[in-house]
Order: sequence, then C-alpha cells, then structure tokens
Amino acid sequence: SQQGEEDPQALSIQEGENATMNCSYKTSINNLQWYRQNSGRGLVHLILIRSNEREKHSGRLRVTLDTSKKSSSLLITASRAADTASYFCATDGGATNKLIFGTGTLLAVQP
Amino acid sequence: NAGVTQTPKFRVLKTGQSMTLLCAQDMNHEYMYWYRQDPGMGLRLIHYSVGEGTTAKGEVPDGYNVSRLKKQNFLLGLESAAPSQTSVYFCASSTERILSPQHFGDGTRLSIL
Repeated sequence: SQQGEEDPQALSIQEGENATMNCSYKTSINNLQWYRQNSGRGLVHLILIRSNEREKHSGRLRVTLDTSKKSSSLLITASRAADTASYFCATDGGATNKLIFGTGTLLAVQP
Repeated sequence: NAGVTQTPKFRVLKTGQSMTLLCAQDMNHEYMYWYRQDPGMGLRLIHYSVGEGTTAKGEVPDGYNVSRLKKQNFLLGLESAAPSQTSVYFCASSTERILSPQHFGDGTRLSIL
C-alpha cells in the first residue's frame, strides 16, 4: 500500500508561475524526500526534510513538513519549461532501509 | 561519472522465458534497491540489499530473485516471465546512512508477451 499520496495528480501552469504539490502520508516518519522524474528517465533526488524540520529550501524549491497533519508540500517558484516532470514524495514510514513512494504529480509547464 | 547503470534498456520476452537485469553503481554505496514502476502505482520495492552478500524482500518480491555477489552490482532475475511482470524496472543505490537519498538508473523497459 502507498504511504504517500500526492495531490494534485496533474498540474498545468504557465512559465513563470509557481507550482505547489502536496503529499499526505499515513504513519509517523523519520524523514520525507521529494524526487523528480523526467519522461523516460530515472528519479532524481531533490530534497530531504527530517521529521524535526518544518521548512527547507534549495534554489527555487521550498519544502514544508507538518507532522501533525502528516503532510508536506513542494513549492517550485518561477517555474520553467524544464521543470516539466513527475514529482514524487517518499517516506520511510518509520521503518529502516526502505522508502515508500507516492503515485506522483505530473507537472506541465507551458512556455 | 556514471552513477547507476542499468542493462539492458529495453527487452521483450515471451511468457515463460527467463532473464537477468543488471545494475552497476560506481559510488561505493552499500545499499541497493530494485523497484518496478507501473502506471498509477508509483514505485514499488521488489528486493533490496544492505551490503555485499545480503538481500531482503521488499513489497512485491514474488516471481523475482536477486543476488549481490559484488558490492557494485545488483542483479534481478525473472525465472519464468509472466505478462504481469511487464513494467519499467529501476535500480537505485544509497550510502550506508539509513534513508539517505537514493540515486537511480534510467530504467529497463520490459515487455512480456
């Protein structure tokens, strides 16, 4: 069963706009990670946020974590056509060694 | 800097045939993983390894076997392929730190007819 569920399933925006994706999970976690997957390629790690952190930034990416609501959000600011990809959250579900991935948000950035 | 390399990239099999997917990483990572990705299902963990000579079952291990004879290589075997195993298979690796970021290969697209 999936630990993380992303919302929305698909998102289409114009270049320059901000994109927000959400992830909800079911059990307590040690950390939450976000990955990007371009069409036909493998996943690329974007950012990791630990359970004791509330917000983290990396370039145009901002991730928040609310452990009381068991949810996280990924904000991409000033989006570019190159940001077009699927975005996945992944959590450990409190277990060691394994990540559980959500089903992803497909982001399309129109030039 | 190759990272994680998967071989082959594409393959078509007939039901009942066997094959081995190879994953090689050059980052000296302890942990390696095999996932399958199906539409609407996200990634599901098949098997994983926490070090050379070790393997463990993931979420969907049935129909697959793995071996980690060398630290840099992780092999995924299908003994008797079934149409339900048509999927995109991804290998990943990570450092010895628990739940560190994973590095992925570009996948093997496998069709079972």
